[in-house]
Amino acid sequence: DAGVTQSPTHLIKTRGQHVTLRCSPISGHKSVSWYQQVLGQGPQFIFQYYEKEERGRGNFPDRFSARQFPNYSSELNVNALLLGDSALYLCASSLQGSSEQFFGPGTRLTVL
Amino acid sequence: QQQVKQSPQSLIVQKGGIPIINCAYENTAFDYFPWYQQFPGKGPALLIAIRPDVSEKKEGRFTISFNKSAKQFSLHIMDSQPGDSATYFCATRGNSGYSTLTFGKGTMLLVSP
Repeated sequence: DAGVTQSPTHLIKTRGQHVTLRCSPISGHKSVSWYQQVLGQGPQFIFQYYEKEERGRGNFPDRFSARQFPNYSSELNVNALLLGDSALYLCASSLQGSSEQFFGPGTRLTVL
Repeated sequence: QQQVKQSPQSLIVQKGGIPIINCAYENTAFDYFPWYQQFPGKGPALLIAIRPDVSEKKEGRFTISFNKSAKQFSLHIMDSQPGDSATYFCATRGNSGYSTLTFGKGTMLLVSP
């Protein structure tokens, strides 16, 4: 079975632009979480979705938003990009009720 | 406020050595303690995890030791190999159904041949 997939792999944007990142969870996993990993740091929680509903939100500004689709895939949107948004954005999926989260390879976002 | 403190920041051992990475947490509501391994350019991969009702868990060459009273847990890598060179993250998770992971800052491990 395929693991968590994310697209695109890399992305370069300029300040003020908008970006959409995509994630497909492991088949059968209905919960998707998004994390931001700045270089040299551990992943930091952004959002969690289950059955298309937001179940948790980390300490990120309203410029960050997400949604989950009926097929359990998910999008992370970031508006008005800042230089500080440059990071590896990770998606993780899990079975409902399970503690185990499985991460995708991430999308490397560079904001110039 | 950092809820998970990980040390050391970096570690160099010789092949066959036993690197030990430590984590301390603050919230006693945490009930799941995983370790993730991350190679450059890749996402974190779940290595091993423990719950607070046991003091030790072993999977292959990887062992977690857990000290509930001290609110600390550690990762030991037996007979370390150059292929173990990676960044290791400890994490914690709360005990509600939708709790998410809180990660430490990571330990960069280098195993020299």
